[in-house]
Amino acid sequence: DVKVTQSSRYLVKRTGEKVFLECVQDMDHENMFWYRQDPGLGLRLIYFSYDVKMKEKGDIPEGYSVSREKKERFSLILESASTNQTSMYLCASRMSGGAGELFFGEGSRLTVL
Amino acid sequence: QKEVEQDPGPLSVPEGAIVSLNCTYSNSAFQYFMWYRQYSRKGPELLMYTYSSGNKEDGRFTAQVDKSSKYISLFIRDSQPSDSATYLCAMSEGAQKLVFGQGTRLTINP
Repeated sequence: DVKVTQSSRYLVKRTGEKVFLECVQDMDHENMFWYRQDPGLGLRLIYFSYDVKMKEKGDIPEGYSVSREKKERFSLILESASTNQTSMYLCASRMSGGAGELFFGEGSRLTVL
Repeated sequence: QKEVEQDPGPLSVPEGAIVSLNCTYSNSAFQYFMWYRQYSRKGPELLMYTYSSGNKEDGRFTAQVDKSSKYISLFIRDSQPSDSATYLCAMSEGAQKLVFGQGTRLTINP
């Protein structure tokens, strides 16, 4: 069974803390994505990566960075968490080429106090 | 104006009803259209996938795309309580990033 695993389902952090959200996929997919999901705003793309060590900004990259050192792992980093980064974060992966299906993890709900 | 507009609901219907969910979009270059279903506290899962215009049917679900009107629909026949979820439309030009609607929260009442 294909799987995208996000390391933490629920996190509570304080303003200014550095936050790491990790995502691992077991499907050998080239493309990986980080979205945030907020009520009334849907899914918004933060960053994506189409290969190891490659990254591209999405629609809302400010305040975030990413790391992809291995094909199966894509990390989202909040250098200095702020309250407006309280959200549900979803990782997804997809095969390269075409407009194929996105496979999502179960999400990481982050609360920044 | 958002690139993809979707009524967030919530939408509540009795079991057995026909449900219609809709999205409009502004980018005429979109060619790939998808519907994702997201259960509470879970990630979205692909439900229907359509290329260009036309209809696609899968069991109780039918997806319609009208590119001339920039309008897509998802119909659910004989709705069941297990269909209660948030439904997200998504679309792309091709091997590009998907653009999602806001999602419609649907509840089917037994």
